[in-house]
Amino acid sequence: SQKIEQNSEALNIQEGKTATLTCNYTNYSPAYLQWYRQDPGRGPVFLLLIRENEKEKRKERLKVTFDTTLKQSLFHITASQPADSATYLCALGDDKIIFGKGTRLHILP
Amino acid sequence: DTAVSQTPKYLVTQMGNDKSIKCEQNLGHDTMYWYKQDSKKFLKIMFSYNNKELIINETVPNRFSPKSPDKAHLNLHINSLELGDSAVYFCASSQSPFSYNEQFFGPGTRLTVL
Repeated sequence: SQKIEQNSEALNIQEGKTATLTCNYTNYSPAYLQWYRQDPGRGPVFLLLIRENEKEKRKERLKVTFDTTLKQSLFHITASQPADSATYLCALGDDKIIFGKGTRLHILP
Repeated sequence: DTAVSQTPKYLVTQMGNDKSIKCEQNLGHDTMYWYKQDSKKFLKIMFSYNNKELIINETVPNRFSPKSPDKAHLNLHINSLELGDSAVYFCASSQSPFSYNEQFFGPGTRLTVL
């Protein structure tokens, strides 16, 4: 069955460093991959989408890579700030979107 | 202006009761969704409607019945509530049902069944 794994439940990163979150998938060949941010008590908010034929996508301090051979996406936040602390969800899309469990990111001041 | 709104925000009820959650989007989108996020934070799709037609119906007990009176509204009715139904329910919308569309989520409805 299709499976999505996000590397860890929680990740602590020092302010100013680059945070890297991982999303791995199996038994799936998604055409698109999306990343969302979720703050406590709120709904997820869309951040970035990357297509299967794109290697990398950037938006301000965010960078996403998509390696269909490794079946993996990496999500980077450069120059991280405490305000970046949240849960980040990857979502894979083909005929429908399936979400991963998310990684809770804590940026330590 | 709230893009996707849900009511109520909190719902506390007894086992066996019937309850409804309402969702409205003012984005002009064709597609709307219901998701369930359980205590382990896993976000799982339940239903999807496109132009008032049901297009995704995941393995959900038939105690759950969605209804879309028009493109801008998608309601969820739950009969005979059980303890395991306790979760946060999110409504979402997107321009079309294709997976390259970003989804816009509502604030969620926290359902607690006692």
